[in-house]
Amino acid sequence: QIQLKESGGGVVQPGGSLGLSCGASGFTFSTYSFLWVRQAPGKGLEWLAVISYDGTKTYYADSVKGRSTISRDKSTDTLSLRMHSLRSEDSGVYFCARVAALGHFFYMDVWGKGTTVTVSS
Amino acid sequence: QSVLTQPPSASGTPGQRVSVSCSGSSSDIGSNTVSWYQHLPGTAPKLLFYNNDRRPSGVPDRFSASKSDTSASLAISGLQSEDEGDYYCAAWDDNLSGPAFGGGTKLTVL
Repeated sequence: QIQLKESGGGVVQPGGSLGLSCGASGFTFSTYSFLWVRQAPGKGLEWLAVISYDGTKTYYADSVKGRSTISRDKSTDTLSLRMHSLRSEDSGVYFCARVAALGHFFYMDVWGKGTTVTVSS
Repeated sequence: QSVLTQPPSASGTPGQRVSVSCSGSSSDIGSNTVSWYQHLPGTAPKLLFYNNDRRPSGVPDRFSASKSDTSASLAISGLQSEDEGDYYCAAWDDNLSGPAFGGGTKLTVL
């Protein structure tokens, strides 16, 4: 069964850091690019970071650029997102998604159910 | 503010046909293909369409999508209560070197 499962959410203090993971199963992890998307309370989906299938290319949204790192581990079929200098507007549900194609034919065909991050003191 | 523009809400009664628009620019929709996603409360987002109008297996043919120039559209006919949720469009943005998302349209089945 093709599946993505996020973990690592919780309550984080403003200015703190978080590390999210996304475990993949049911498909060949190393042949796909991946994406992290966030949904803040009452807001729409916002992409945060993308990593290519081989990890050589990464893209970041302006909202997290410079304070986030997306990475992947082919030995454990795990996607990760590390963020620091967190602020209240980073609160939300964080989803990982499998990218079927980057660039011109971009789309995401498999999504996780999300993990919730709350930035609060 | 989202790169792609969608109406914040849409509504219809069961059995009706509703459509959701997605407006972009030459650097995103104008140059690349569009995908659509359905996000029902408490669930993972689901791919509805890719490559403008390609429907993955399992998506009912009541759903249709199209693209013209820098705009795209999603239509749902024979509206059902289980269609109630949020709908998003997306496309690669050559200027951003990243994805462009619409702000989402909340569909209410009256």
